[in-house]
Amino acid sequence: GAVVSQHPSWVICKSGTSVKIECRSLDFQATTMFWYRQFPKQSLMLMATSNEGSKATYEQGVEKDKFLINHASLTLSTLTVTSAHPEDSSFYICSARSSGRPTYNEQFFGPGTRLTVL
Amino acid sequence: QKEVEQNSGPLSVPEGAIASLNCTYSDRGSQSFFWYRQYSGKSPELIMFIYSNGDKEDGRFTAQLNKASQYVSLLIRDSQPSDSATYLCALGGGGGGSYIPTFGRGTSLIVHP
Repeated sequence: GAVVSQHPSWVICKSGTSVKIECRSLDFQATTMFWYRQFPKQSLMLMATSNEGSKATYEQGVEKDKFLINHASLTLSTLTVTSAHPEDSSFYICSARSSGRPTYNEQFFGPGTRLTVL
Repeated sequence: QKEVEQNSGPLSVPEGAIASLNCTYSDRGSQSFFWYRQYSGKSPELIMFIYSNGDKEDGRFTAQLNKASQYVSLLIRDSQPSDSATYLCALGGGGGGSYIPTFGRGTSLIVHP
């Protein structure tokens, strides 16, 4: 149980285009989803926290107009990187926290999406 | 500001030895603690969580928590080369589900044959 999928697993796009990444909890309902970014050999960086049915909360320094997050259902959140540039190339990882497990705040991670902007 | 401190390593141990990974934290309100393993190029994978003082064992892994000292550790017995990865310590909250998790930078473990 507690499986999280991401699609696509990797994407290459031209500078200036937009890219949408989907994150799905396959076998549980996730009231909260998190989006992280990780550059090579660096630590996870939390970008935003997404609660179903409400606006995402962005971490300081993360542009909300550039990284659009939608959490329309209890099993799906999307991250859209708008007008992507080479410096946006990174490993984007989502995680989901089960609504059935609030006590310990376990997160389950998706496999990640590797974005390369040319 | 909640902080989680981990030695970045690398920690190098021979195959079959015990690997000891440590983590200290600043937020006394943290009530749940997690260890994740992350292989290069992959996303983190939950190994264990612990919320009570003392030890919790799962196979070759033992998590140890000391809330008074604000210290949590992960022991890996009979280390294998396949254990070579980065290990992330993370803090969670108590009940309610509103706690935003805090991750350490991770400790790189290398198990050499």
